[in-house]
Amino acid sequence: GAGVSQSPRYKVAKRGQDVALRCDPISGHVSLFWYQQALGQGPEFLTYFQNEAQLDKSGLPSDRFFAERPEGSVSTLKIQRTQQEDSAVYLCASSPVQGAAYGYTFGSGTRLTVV
Amino acid sequence: DAKTTQPTSMDCAEGRAANLPCNHSTISGNEYVYWYRQIHSQGPQYIIHGLKNNETNEMASLIITEDRKSSTLILPHATLRDTAVYYCIVRLYSGGGADGLTFGKGTHLIIQP
Repeated sequence: GAGVSQSPRYKVAKRGQDVALRCDPISGHVSLFWYQQALGQGPEFLTYFQNEAQLDKSGLPSDRFFAERPEGSVSTLKIQRTQQEDSAVYLCASSPVQGAAYGYTFGSGTRLTVV
Repeated sequence: DAKTTQPTSMDCAEGRAANLPCNHSTISGNEYVYWYRQIHSQGPQYIIHGLKNNETNEMASLIITEDRKSSTLILPHATLRDTAVYYCIVRLYSGGGADGLTFGKGTHLIIQP
C-alpha cells in the first residue's frame, strides 16, 4: 500500500484481556518502530526492528508487552493482561533507511482503551 | 540525544508566516535538528532536517543559528491545515541502527482564520 496501515483503528479491552495490534509497513521498508502515545503527550519509543530482528526493546514498559516481525514485514504488538495504564494510542512507523531519523512514515495508530 | 525546549503553544493568522522556535543549547557537533508534526488523530509526519546550513523544502524552511543552539521552523504561508503539534528533535543522523526518536511535548500551533 501507499502508507503504513494499522489495525484495528480502535480497540476497547477489558482489564486483564490480551490484545494484539497489527502494523503493515510500507513494502520494502527495513526499519519498523512501535511508539506509545498517552493523551496530551508526545510519542514514546517502545521497540525497533531491522527486518525480522528486534534490535531494541528498551522502551517496552513491562514484560506484558511483546512485539514480533517474523518475516520482516508485518509486525504485531501484543499486550497481555491489559491494565488501565496501557490506554494510549499505539503508533507504528517504518523507514527505508537503517537508523536514520528522517524519512519515517507513521501509521494513524491504534487507540487502545482499557476499561 | 540533546534536550530541546519549545513553547507549549502558538497562534498564527492564516496566510501569514508561522515561525516556530526551538532551543537545543546542548546539541553536539554531529547531531542534526529534525522537525516532525502531528495533525489531530494522525501519526507524526516528517517535515525537514538540517545540520548547520539553512534548509528549505516544499513544506517549510529551517533556520539554524550559527552556534547551533537554537533553530526556527518557518511555514511561509500558513493554512488551517497546518494546525498541528510540531516536534523539534535533536539526534545523530544515524543512531547506529537502533535508536528511536525522542519527541517531547512539542508546540501546538493553531492557525486562526
